[in-house]
Amino acid sequence: QQQVKQSPQSLIVQKGGISIINCAYENTAFDYFPWYQQFPGKGPALLIAIRPDVSEKKEGRFTISFNKSAKQFSLHIMDSQPGDSATYFCAANRSGGSNYKLTFGKGTLLTVNP
Amino acid sequence: DAGVIQSPRHEVTEMGQEVTLRCKPISGHNSLFWYRQTMMRGLELLIYFNNNVPIDDSGMPEDRFSAKMPNASFSTLKIQPSEPRDSAVYFCASSLTGGMYFGPGTRLTVT
Repeated sequence: QQQVKQSPQSLIVQKGGISIINCAYENTAFDYFPWYQQFPGKGPALLIAIRPDVSEKKEGRFTISFNKSAKQFSLHIMDSQPGDSATYFCAANRSGGSNYKLTFGKGTLLTVNP
Repeated sequence: DAGVIQSPRHEVTEMGQEVTLRCKPISGHNSLFWYRQTMMRGLELLIYFNNNVPIDDSGMPEDRFSAKMPNASFSTLKIQPSEPRDSAVYFCASSLTGGMYFGPGTRLTVT
């Protein structure tokens, strides 16, 4: 199936804390897992992406952890800042080098309190 | 780089009217996507073009929706006639390889 299930729907974190958003997928053919960040009134923006040949990818304060056997991947935001407050979407597809047919999760609204 | 450009940013129209949304992808990108975003259904892919050719329009809700890409730098999404349930934010996105880049969206309200 094509579903990507994302949790939680909303998350409130204190400044400096760790934000964790989880996604699970069903299609074992998926091989590209990006995360998008969306601010109000803006389009989603690619934040970080991982392919299943690695279990973790880190870019600054953002880390994707990937568990192929469990068909799960998660986004960790270290030292969360108020400016990180946004909606985060996970996605997945069988890329073949293309972004075609990205299946998006329903999104997580992150609020980082100062 | 100007990014993906969409117009108009906001559109309010009455039921039954024709609505045309416009998109200019990033120069050099060969793939273009139209998405619709609602609270209930999240982000839905409506149609996908590759090298100006529609590859997959299975996400287009019904015959009231149509999309064209007459050249590599312009695409339109038309709704005729519009209905209140079409109210949503419509995003255009483009890509070459790697990441997909979204425009700022058009917020459509059909009354």
